[in-house]
Amino acid sequence: IAGITQAPTSQILAAGRRMTLRCTQDMRHNAMYWYRQDLGLGLRLIHYSNTAGTTGKGEVPDGYSVSRANTDDFPLTLASAVPSQTSVYFCASSLNPGLRGTDTQYFGPGTRLTVL
Amino acid sequence: AQSVAQPEDQVNVAEGNPLTVKCTYSVSGNPYLFWYVQYPNRGLQFLLKYITGDNLVKGSYGFEAEFNKSQTSFHLKKPSALVSDSALYFCAVRLRYYGNNRLAFGKGNQVVVIP
Repeated sequence: IAGITQAPTSQILAAGRRMTLRCTQDMRHNAMYWYRQDLGLGLRLIHYSNTAGTTGKGEVPDGYSVSRANTDDFPLTLASAVPSQTSVYFCASSLNPGLRGTDTQYFGPGTRLTVL
Repeated sequence: AQSVAQPEDQVNVAEGNPLTVKCTYSVSGNPYLFWYVQYPNRGLQFLLKYITGDNLVKGSYGFEAEFNKSQTSFHLKKPSALVSDSALYFCAVRLRYYGNNRLAFGKGNQVVVIP
């Protein structure tokens, strides 16, 4: 069982370019999340999805979009990348989004993105 | 604002000594608290969580955490630190927003275990 996989592992991107970060989980978890990690700020939620077909905005959603066409995949798209989006991006999932005992979040290995 | 705070940037401890990583929280109602560990160039790994019940929670790799409601703290502890425990540790609290199982993270503590 792989858990959560993310691709690419790292990417250098020119400002203004479009980029999609991929996230796939094989745990049949209902909920998925995207966080960004920046030094001194911890992790901040970008977008989330409680179940396939639904998405919601997190703490820092501007400049990002997501889709959840099926249970396993939750891609994050930067429509026009800017240098402030340079960060490490983590995808996470949980079995259920709000039910105590089953909403522990498990994280992927991350994507390191540099926007020049 | 609902949040967690990790007051120390770095914790240095000699191998074999007790390790404590501090976390305090500020939330309305009963908190739902987590600890995660991040090794270099890796994702976050779940260590333990407090939901309700016993204030002492035991987790992975010999770690435990003590929930203290009067001090609004959830400090992570390990009786005898190993060099392999050197990593970045994050405290997090689940925020009670409708339909949003958001975790609010502290800034992280770098733990350095000295051989």
